[in-house]
Amino acid sequence: GAVVSQHPSRVICKSGTSVKIECRSLDFQATTMFWYRQFPKKSLMLMATSNEGSKATYEQGVEKDKFLINHASLTLSTLTVTSAHPEDSSFYICSARGDRFETEAFFGQGTRLTVV
Amino acid sequence: GENVEQHPSTLSVQEGDSAVIKCTYSDSASNYFPWYKQELGKRPQLIIDIRSNVGEKKDQRIAVTLNKTAKHFSLHITETQPEDSAVYFCAASILTGGGNKLTFGTGTQLKVEL
Repeated sequence: GAVVSQHPSRVICKSGTSVKIECRSLDFQATTMFWYRQFPKKSLMLMATSNEGSKATYEQGVEKDKFLINHASLTLSTLTVTSAHPEDSSFYICSARGDRFETEAFFGQGTRLTVV
Repeated sequence: GENVEQHPSTLSVQEGDSAVIKCTYSDSASNYFPWYKQELGKRPQLIIDIRSNVGEKKDQRIAVTLNKTAKHFSLHITETQPEDSAVYFCAASILTGGGNKLTFGTGTQLKVEL
């Protein structure tokens, strides 16, 4: 398999501030990265798909100005939650797919965001 | 877009029994169906997958079946063990050269009791 590292694993921030979450593919080039949001005991909800060097494609209902995604290199994608509010508190998880792996997407360990 | 439904939401079995989780999908163009296992507080891990050109795939105690006509697929776990306890997600996708967007089912909490 391949390794995807997500950082930080937990973050607490104040309302109104921004938080950046990083997703790195450690041993392969990730041509595509996906960002998900997971509520307690719920499924993984796809937020956006990002391809290296191009703008992210957001799912319906996800505010692109609130959840900024950057995929500047083949090993790094970032999700920035801007002007965070308590309702943004959730578990955010990324997955990455590369040309070496035709089908499988590998997940990061996730980030627990708490906005107070 | 694709819609994936998964049942049951919770499943309790005795150790050694079999467990079956079922999913249906809506987009007939979907051609790749992976299953992920997520233990509490951990990341989802791929346990088995199947493509639309195959009707069944088996890997030791785990098997997946696919019925393209009915647009449903199932996960079968035989001889369940306590370590099989986790949340299982099915997913559907259309494999393309530029991406592999997975649409997940709602998850099944499997509990294997001693």
